[in-house]
Amino acid sequence: DAGITQSPRHKVTETGTPVTLRCHQTENHRYMYWYRQDPGHGLRLIHYSYGVKDTDKGEVSDGYSVSRSKTEDFLLTLESATSSQTSVYFCAISQTGQGTGNTIYFGEGSWLTVV
Amino acid sequence: GEDVEQSLFLSVREGDSSVINCTYTDSSSTYLYWYKQEPGAGLQLLTYIFSNMDMKQDQRLTVLLNKKDKHLSLRIADTQTGDSAIYFCAENTDKLIFGTGTRLQVFP
Repeated sequence: DAGITQSPRHKVTETGTPVTLRCHQTENHRYMYWYRQDPGHGLRLIHYSYGVKDTDKGEVSDGYSVSRSKTEDFLLTLESATSSQTSVYFCAISQTGQGTGNTIYFGEGSWLTVV
Repeated sequence: GEDVEQSLFLSVREGDSSVINCTYTDSSSTYLYWYKQEPGAGLQLLTYIFSNMDMKQDQRLTVLLNKKDKHLSLRIADTQTGDSAIYFCAENTDKLIFGTGTRLQVFP
Protein backbone atom coordinates (compact mmCIF):
# COMPACT_ATOMS: atom_id res chain seq x y z
CA ASP A 1 0.00 0.00 0.00
CA ALA A 2 1.17 3.50 -0.83
CA GLY A 3 0.45 5.04 2.56
CA ILE A 4 -2.79 6.82 1.67
CA THR A 5 -5.65 6.97 4.14
CA GLN A 6 -9.05 8.31 3.25
CA SER A 7 -11.69 9.22 5.80
CA PRO A 8 -14.50 8.61 6.19
CA ARG A 9 -14.66 5.47 4.10
CA HIS A 10 -18.45 5.51 4.02
CA LYS A 11 -20.87 8.35 4.65
CA VAL A 12 -24.54 9.02 4.17
CA THR A 13 -25.57 12.64 4.31
CA GLU A 14 -28.60 14.77 3.55
CA THR A 15 -28.99 17.13 0.62
CA GLY A 16 -27.78 20.60 1.48
CA THR A 17 -25.37 19.62 4.24
CA PRO A 18 -21.64 20.27 4.04
CA VAL A 19 -19.31 17.29 3.76
CA THR A 20 -15.55 17.10 4.05
CA LEU A 21 -13.49 14.14 2.92
CA ARG A 22 -9.93 13.83 4.11
CA CYS A 23 -6.93 12.31 2.41
CA HIS A 24 -3.77 11.71 4.42
CA GLN A 25 -0.49 10.49 2.93
CA THR A 26 2.73 9.35 4.55
CA GLU A 27 4.82 9.35 1.35
CA ASN A 28 5.70 13.06 1.24
CA HIS A 29 4.54 13.21 -2.38
CA ARG A 30 4.13 16.67 -3.83
CA TYR A 31 1.01 16.02 -5.92
CA MET A 32 -2.36 15.02 -4.55
CA TYR A 33 -5.60 14.49 -6.44
CA TRP A 34 -9.29 13.96 -5.86
CA TYR A 35 -11.24 11.87 -8.37
CA ARG A 36 -14.80 10.68 -8.46
CA GLN A 37 -15.84 7.37 -9.96
CA ASP A 38 -19.27 6.88 -11.48
CA PRO A 39 -20.68 4.11 -13.67
CA GLY A 40 -20.13 4.85 -17.33
CA HIS A 41 -17.66 7.63 -16.65
CA GLY A 42 -14.54 5.98 -15.30
CA LEU A 43 -12.59 8.30 -13.03
CA ARG A 44 -12.86 12.04 -13.42
CA LEU A 45 -10.54 14.57 -11.83
CA ILE A 46 -12.18 17.02 -9.44
CA HIS A 47 -9.25 19.04 -8.10
CA TYR A 48 -5.57 18.53 -7.61
CA SER A 49 -2.74 20.07 -5.63
CA TYR A 50 0.88 20.58 -6.61
CA GLY A 51 2.06 21.80 -3.23
CA VAL A 52 0.97 23.32 0.06
CA LYS A 53 -1.70 25.92 -0.66
CA ASP A 54 -1.32 25.29 -4.43
CA THR A 55 -4.43 23.80 -5.98
CA ASP A 56 -6.13 23.77 -9.35
CA LYS A 57 -9.40 22.61 -10.87
CA GLY A 58 -10.01 19.40 -12.71
CA GLU A 59 -12.73 18.58 -15.21
CA VAL A 60 -15.63 18.28 -12.71
CA SER A 61 -14.82 20.88 -10.07
CA ASP A 62 -18.22 22.61 -9.78
CA GLY A 63 -19.69 22.19 -6.30
CA TYR A 64 -16.36 21.18 -4.76
CA SER A 65 -13.56 23.01 -3.01
CA VAL A 66 -10.23 21.78 -1.70
CA SER A 67 -7.57 22.83 0.72
CA ARG A 68 -4.03 21.74 1.41
CA SER A 69 -2.48 23.33 4.47
CA LYS A 70 0.07 20.55 5.00
CA THR A 71 1.95 18.31 2.59
CA GLU A 72 0.31 15.22 4.00
CA ASP A 73 -3.34 16.32 4.01
CA PHE A 74 -5.69 17.17 1.15
CA LEU A 75 -9.29 17.97 2.00
CA LEU A 76 -12.26 17.84 -0.37
CA THR A 77 -15.33 19.82 0.69
CA LEU A 78 -18.84 19.69 -0.69
CA GLU A 79 -20.26 22.98 0.56
CA SER A 80 -23.88 21.91 0.05
CA ALA A 81 -24.19 18.28 -0.98
CA THR A 82 -26.53 17.33 -3.83
CA SER A 83 -27.75 13.92 -4.96
CA SER A 84 -25.60 14.22 -8.09
CA GLN A 85 -22.57 14.12 -5.82
CA THR A 86 -23.37 10.59 -4.69
CA SER A 87 -20.27 8.79 -5.84
CA VAL A 88 -17.10 7.02 -4.86
CA TYR A 89 -14.28 9.47 -4.22
CA PHE A 90 -10.66 8.50 -4.63
CA CYS A 91 -7.62 10.36 -3.43
CA ALA A 92 -4.37 9.82 -5.31
CA ILE A 93 -0.77 10.94 -4.94
CA SER A 94 2.29 11.18 -7.12
CA GLN A 95 5.82 12.51 -6.81
CA THR A 96 5.65 14.46 -10.06
CA GLY A 97 2.70 15.72 -12.02
CA GLN A 98 0.55 13.99 -14.58
CA GLY A 99 2.16 13.68 -17.98
CA THR A 100 5.49 12.54 -16.59
CA GLY A 101 4.91 8.81 -16.46
CA ASN A 102 5.29 8.90 -12.73
CA THR A 103 3.19 6.35 -10.90
CA ILE A 104 -0.02 7.67 -9.40
CA TYR A 105 -1.09 5.78 -6.28
CA PHE A 106 -4.71 5.59 -5.24
CA GLY A 107 -6.38 5.39 -1.87
CA GLU A 108 -9.09 2.88 -1.05
CA GLY A 109 -11.98 5.23 -1.77
CA SER A 110 -14.74 7.00 0.14
CA TRP A 111 -18.33 6.01 -0.60
CA LEU A 112 -20.62 9.02 -0.29
CA THR A 113 -24.40 8.83 -0.53
CA VAL A 114 -26.44 12.02 -0.56
CA VAL A 115 -30.12 11.43 0.23
CA GLY B 1 -11.53 16.33 -27.60
CA GLU B 2 -10.30 13.79 -25.13
CA ASP B 3 -12.09 10.50 -24.94
CA VAL B 4 -10.94 7.05 -23.93
CA GLU B 5 -13.23 4.15 -24.78
CA GLN B 6 -13.33 0.56 -23.65
CA SER B 7 -15.77 -2.28 -23.97
CA LEU B 8 -17.69 -2.76 -20.74
CA PHE B 9 -17.42 -6.49 -20.17
CA LEU B 10 -15.22 -9.49 -20.98
CA SER B 11 -15.71 -13.06 -19.87
CA VAL B 12 -12.98 -15.71 -20.27
CA ARG B 13 -12.29 -19.23 -19.11
CA GLU B 14 -9.55 -19.80 -16.57
CA GLY B 15 -6.27 -20.59 -18.34
CA ASP B 16 -7.20 -18.77 -21.55
CA SER B 17 -5.76 -15.44 -22.63
CA SER B 18 -7.70 -12.23 -22.09
CA VAL B 19 -7.42 -9.23 -24.38
CA ILE B 20 -8.79 -5.91 -23.20
CA ASN B 21 -8.97 -3.15 -25.76
CA CYS B 22 -8.94 0.62 -25.51
CA THR B 23 -9.10 3.47 -27.99
CA TYR B 24 -8.01 7.01 -27.27
CA THR B 25 -8.20 10.24 -29.17
CA ASP B 26 -5.32 12.48 -28.12
CA SER B 27 -2.35 11.74 -30.35
CA SER B 28 -0.11 13.80 -28.07
CA SER B 29 -0.45 11.30 -25.23
CA THR B 30 3.00 10.58 -23.88
CA TYR B 31 2.15 7.66 -21.64
CA LEU B 32 -0.67 5.16 -21.64
CA TYR B 33 -1.55 3.14 -18.58
CA TRP B 34 -3.43 0.09 -17.45
CA TYR B 35 -4.92 0.05 -13.96
CA LYS B 36 -6.69 -2.77 -12.14
CA GLN B 37 -9.48 -2.23 -9.64
CA GLU B 38 -10.65 -5.05 -7.40
CA PRO B 39 -14.03 -4.80 -5.62
CA GLY B 40 -14.08 -2.20 -2.88
CA ALA B 41 -10.53 -1.08 -3.56
CA GLY B 42 -8.69 1.72 -5.26
CA LEU B 43 -6.86 1.51 -8.57
CA GLN B 44 -3.59 -0.34 -8.82
CA LEU B 45 -1.17 0.50 -11.61
CA LEU B 46 -0.46 -2.64 -13.63
CA THR B 47 1.78 -1.32 -16.34
CA TYR B 48 2.34 1.60 -18.64
CA ILE B 49 3.85 2.17 -22.05
CA PHE B 50 5.63 5.18 -23.43
CA SER B 51 4.24 6.51 -26.68
CA ASN B 52 7.38 5.72 -28.68
CA MET B 53 7.03 2.01 -27.93
CA ASP B 54 4.90 -0.55 -29.77
CA MET B 55 4.95 -3.31 -27.22
CA LYS B 56 5.82 -3.95 -23.62
CA GLN B 57 5.84 -7.29 -21.86
CA ASP B 58 5.82 -7.83 -18.14
CA GLN B 59 5.41 -11.45 -17.02
CA ARG B 60 1.85 -12.44 -17.98
CA LEU B 61 1.00 -8.97 -19.26
CA THR B 62 1.60 -7.75 -22.80
CA VAL B 63 0.71 -4.21 -23.85
CA LEU B 64 0.38 -3.38 -27.52
CA LEU B 65 0.20 0.17 -28.80
CA ASN B 66 -0.95 1.10 -32.30
CA LYS B 67 -0.39 4.83 -32.52
CA LYS B 68 -1.77 5.11 -36.03
CA ASP B 69 -5.14 3.74 -34.95
CA LYS B 70 -4.85 5.14 -31.39
CA HIS B 71 -5.48 1.67 -30.06
CA LEU B 72 -4.09 0.16 -26.87
CA SER B 73 -4.56 -3.40 -25.71
CA LEU B 74 -3.72 -5.44 -22.64
CA ARG B 75 -3.23 -9.17 -22.99
CA ILE B 76 -3.24 -11.33 -19.89
CA ALA B 77 -1.82 -14.79 -20.51
CA ASP B 78 -3.05 -17.81 -18.54
CA THR B 79 -5.87 -15.82 -16.96
CA GLN B 80 -6.63 -16.75 -13.37
CA THR B 81 -9.67 -16.18 -11.17
CA GLY B 82 -7.62 -13.62 -9.26
CA ASP B 83 -7.49 -11.54 -12.42
CA SER B 84 -11.23 -10.88 -12.16
CA ALA B 85 -11.51 -7.12 -11.73
CA ILE B 86 -12.23 -3.91 -13.60
CA TYR B 87 -9.41 -2.77 -15.88
CA PHE B 88 -9.00 0.87 -16.80
CA CYS B 89 -6.85 2.29 -19.52
CA ALA B 90 -5.74 5.89 -19.21
CA GLU B 91 -3.98 8.32 -21.47
CA ASN B 92 -1.65 10.95 -20.15
CA THR B 93 -1.00 14.24 -21.85
CA ASP B 94 -0.97 17.03 -19.30
CA LYS B 95 -3.57 15.18 -17.28
CA LEU B 96 -4.71 11.63 -16.83
CA ILE B 97 -7.90 10.68 -18.70
CA PHE B 98 -9.47 7.35 -17.78
CA GLY B 99 -11.61 5.04 -19.83
CA THR B 100 -14.87 3.74 -18.47
CA GLY B 101 -13.36 0.42 -17.44
CA THR B 102 -13.72 -3.18 -18.63
CA ARG B 103 -15.04 -5.73 -16.17
CA LEU B 104 -13.16 -9.00 -16.61
CA GLN B 105 -14.89 -12.10 -15.33
CA VAL B 106 -12.92 -15.35 -15.20
CA PHE B 107 -14.87 -18.57 -14.91
CA PRO B 108 -13.54 -22.06 -14.16
